[in-house]
Amino acid sequence: AAGVIQSPRHLIKEKRETATLKCYPIPRHDTVYWYQQGPGQDPQFLISFYEKMQSDKGSIPDRFSAQQFSDYHSELNMSSLELGDSALYFCASSSGGLTSRDTQYFGPGTRLTVL
Amino acid sequence: QKEVEQNSGPLSVPEGAIASLNCTYSDRVSQSFFWYRQYSGKSPELIMSIYSNGDKEDGRFTAQLNKASQYVSLLIRDSQPSDSATYLCAVKLAGAGSYQLTFGKGTKLSVIP
Repeated sequence: AAGVIQSPRHLIKEKRETATLKCYPIPRHDTVYWYQQGPGQDPQFLISFYEKMQSDKGSIPDRFSAQQFSDYHSELNMSSLELGDSALYFCASSSGGLTSRDTQYFGPGTRLTVL
Repeated sequence: QKEVEQNSGPLSVPEGAIASLNCTYSDRVSQSFFWYRQYSGKSPELIMSIYSNGDKEDGRFTAQLNKASQYVSLLIRDSQPSDSATYLCAVKLAGAGSYQLTFGKGTKLSVIP
């Protein structure tokens, strides 16, 4: 079965640079969530989109922005990168249409390292 | 206090034994509960979802939910070394338009051959 695709899988950037992470949800999934997981930490919710509109916002820094496109893929744009942004970034998708029972399936993640 | 609490472990069980993982949550009106398994450096993989009080079984896994006690657990029967991973409890907290998952810090399980 098709899964969530994320690219790139690994990314190395310098401080103050920008980065763009991409997420391709499971086919026919209309909702995308972004999570950040620091070393030894649990995943922290950043932002979500449903039908190309932002549906919820968590602990996403102002330096980050995201959007969902007409083909439902999503991009997370990160500017003025800081050392503390080094983490695993996961995208999850669901088809529940924003219901309490929709199930989120996670992509393989992008490991971002900021030097 | 974190909204979702788990014993961080490590929890060590011998191969073939039952592993019991526990999770408590603070939001009394939470409706949806999930268990994810995460191997080191990999993404969370869904094991079980549970929405109603009682038990839900799927193969070697049984999830138990007690909303009155704000408690959810995962039992793994006939534990295998391949079950060694971190198990994340995730809760969807109530709130209009809020469908994000809130995770516990995870319990690291080690199954000893």
